[in-house]
Amino acid sequence: NAGVTQTPKFRVLKTGQSMTLLCAQDMNHEYMYWYRQDPGMGLRLIHYSVGEGTTAKGEVPDGYNVSRLKKQNFLLGLESAAPSQTSVYFCASLDGRFGSSYNEQFFGPGTRLTVL
Amino acid sequence: AQRVTQPEKLLSVFKGAPVELKCNYSYSGSPELFWYVQYSRQRLQLLLRHISRESIKGFTADLNKGETSFHLKKPFAQEEDSAMYYCALSSSGNTPLVFGKGTRLSVIA
Repeated sequence: NAGVTQTPKFRVLKTGQSMTLLCAQDMNHEYMYWYRQDPGMGLRLIHYSVGEGTTAKGEVPDGYNVSRLKKQNFLLGLESAAPSQTSVYFCASLDGRFGSSYNEQFFGPGTRLTVL
Repeated sequence: AQRVTQPEKLLSVFKGAPVELKCNYSYSGSPELFWYVQYSRQRLQLLLRHISRESIKGFTADLNKGETSFHLKKPFAQEEDSAMYYCALSSSGNTPLVFGKGTRLSVIA
């Protein structure tokens, strides 16, 4: 079990460029989340998904889009990157089915993005 | 609205000293509360959740509904406890977590 993986680990973009971050989980989890982590701000939810084919906005969705075409993957897109999007991005997944760990979020290793 | 407040950005203690990381929340219903830990340059991992009332790595946390708090405690700090600690709240089992801004714990030898 790889758990939650994220691709890429690091990326540097120029302002205006686009990119897609990939999150994959092999635990058959229903729920997936994208957060950004900034110093002094904690983790803020960008978008999330409660199942394949669904997406919803979180606290800071502007400038990002997401897709969940397959249950195991959750993609985060930046259409036109801005320096304010320089951050560490974490993906997480959650089982959602009742059980001992049904409400535990499992996190990926993070993607460090710098926008120049 | 749900809110989690961690009043300390940085907490420094000496090895062997007791540790208390504060967490207060704002939520009108019955919340589920968690502590996550992030060691240097690593992913976040679950440390504790109030519903299971367990002790992990010597840490405990008690939900105090009257004071709306979920403080994390350890009687004797170890150097390996140095990390970023996040308190988080969920209004139900699978709703997105609301995180506090985190407290960086530094244990000094």
